[in-house]
Amino acid sequence: GQNIDQPTEMTATEGAIVQINCTYQTSGFNGLFWYQQHAGEAPTFLSYNVLDGLEEKGRFSSFLSRSKGYSYLLLKELQMKDSASYLCAVMDSNYQLIWGAGTKLIIKP
Amino acid sequence: GAVVSQHPSWVICKSGTSVKIECRSLDFQATTMFWYRQFPKQSLMLMATSNEGSKATYEQGVEKDKFLINHASLTLSTLTVTSAHPEDSSFYICSARSGRESEKLFFGSGTQLSVL
Repeated sequence: GQNIDQPTEMTATEGAIVQINCTYQTSGFNGLFWYQQHAGEAPTFLSYNVLDGLEEKGRFSSFLSRSKGYSYLLLKELQMKDSASYLCAVMDSNYQLIWGAGTKLIIKP
Repeated sequence: GAVVSQHPSWVICKSGTSVKIECRSLDFQATTMFWYRQFPKQSLMLMATSNEGSKATYEQGVEKDKFLINHASLTLSTLTVTSAHPEDSSFYICSARSGRESEKLFFGSGTQLSVL
């Protein structure tokens, strides 16, 4: 079956760095997405990786290893507003999105 | 975790026809369902929010007569794209919220609509 695994919850300190991991097993691969979702709001697109490697975008970076079925989202210089859920989603060979359950990130002062 | 089933996965239709997309919560009662559309590499754009048994609330700029939403039961919501045109081609995604975990949304796998 198809499966996306990511930690349920993580806690980090303001100003620090946190890495949220995502592992996947899907029928084919057409890219991996990371979304940020604040409670009660629609998810916001953060990144899209389809090739191996690290993509940096400001304080956020996303890494992909297709051979390992692994990705991570790296958040630097954490701010209180980064407290949110982070969703990993993989697009399979049929261009269907397979969603992870999301990682709730709690930022402490 | 809870499962949201969305059907169909793909649909190709001729301009002027109507297309219905279904979103079902399989193991929980969804008091609220949301419909989004997504263009490549962009954020999900909320189209409308539907509560079971009541009329959907549409976001600004979304034509309610074109995108008909029905949430007749606690496990099923449908989105009908009426008189579809090529500009309606997009990826449509639904999500559902259970009253028990009111902050957590569960997402469907999406429907790719291509209007010829």
